[in-house]
Amino acid sequence: EPEVTQTPSHQVTQMGQEVILRCVPISNHLYFYWYRQILGQKVEFLVSFYNNEISEKSEIFDDQFSVERPDGSNFTLKIRSTKLEDSAMYFCASSPGLGSEQYFGPGTRLTVT
Amino acid sequence: QKEVEQDPGPLSVPEGAIVSLNCTYSNSAFQYFMWYRQYSRKGPELLMYTYSSGNKEDGRFTAQVDKSSKYISLFIRDSQPSDSATYLCAMSAGGLKTSYDKVIFGPGTSLSVIP
Repeated sequence: EPEVTQTPSHQVTQMGQEVILRCVPISNHLYFYWYRQILGQKVEFLVSFYNNEISEKSEIFDDQFSVERPDGSNFTLKIRSTKLEDSAMYFCASSPGLGSEQYFGPGTRLTVT
Repeated sequence: QKEVEQDPGPLSVPEGAIVSLNCTYSNSAFQYFMWYRQYSRKGPELLMYTYSSGNKEDGRFTAQVDKSSKYISLFIRDSQPSDSATYLCAMSAGGLKTSYDKVIFGPGTSLSVIP
């Protein structure tokens, strides 16, 4: 069964460093998303991406964040200058169409020290 | 009022029990309703996906949506120890221009099924 994959599973970085989290969505899906979950808190929407552009972003997704689909398979989330409060699980999701089911990857645990 | 509310539990039941999980919401624009299961430090796994009001059954799981009351439920029959996880209700407006289809999650209910 097709699934969303994410790498790395765990990333440790120092405050102020740039990180890139990678995702390979399900191959025939057209809509891509990033969510995050701070430990002990709920899953929160960050950004949605369709047709090579951001379709919606939350207030969390400030200028330090960017997304890119550099080729036909990968979808990346970049944090330019990490802060301690960026420590969280980051989940990528993909969907075949607007309003369709969103399937989540296993997540990348980001630890900022 | 929070957009999606869910009793965090923890909920502990004996094996074989019927489990009832519930959420309420405030945004009448939501029209797609989901239940995800999440094991500790893992990604949410989609269990049920329903559109608008009504019931949907899949094996031991039944999802109910009552849009008039802004209330959704998940029932698990013949619960098993492997059902022990956190259950997240989630919903979206599904493409309405003002909100596209971002999924809004409840905080989750922690369930333990005791053998």
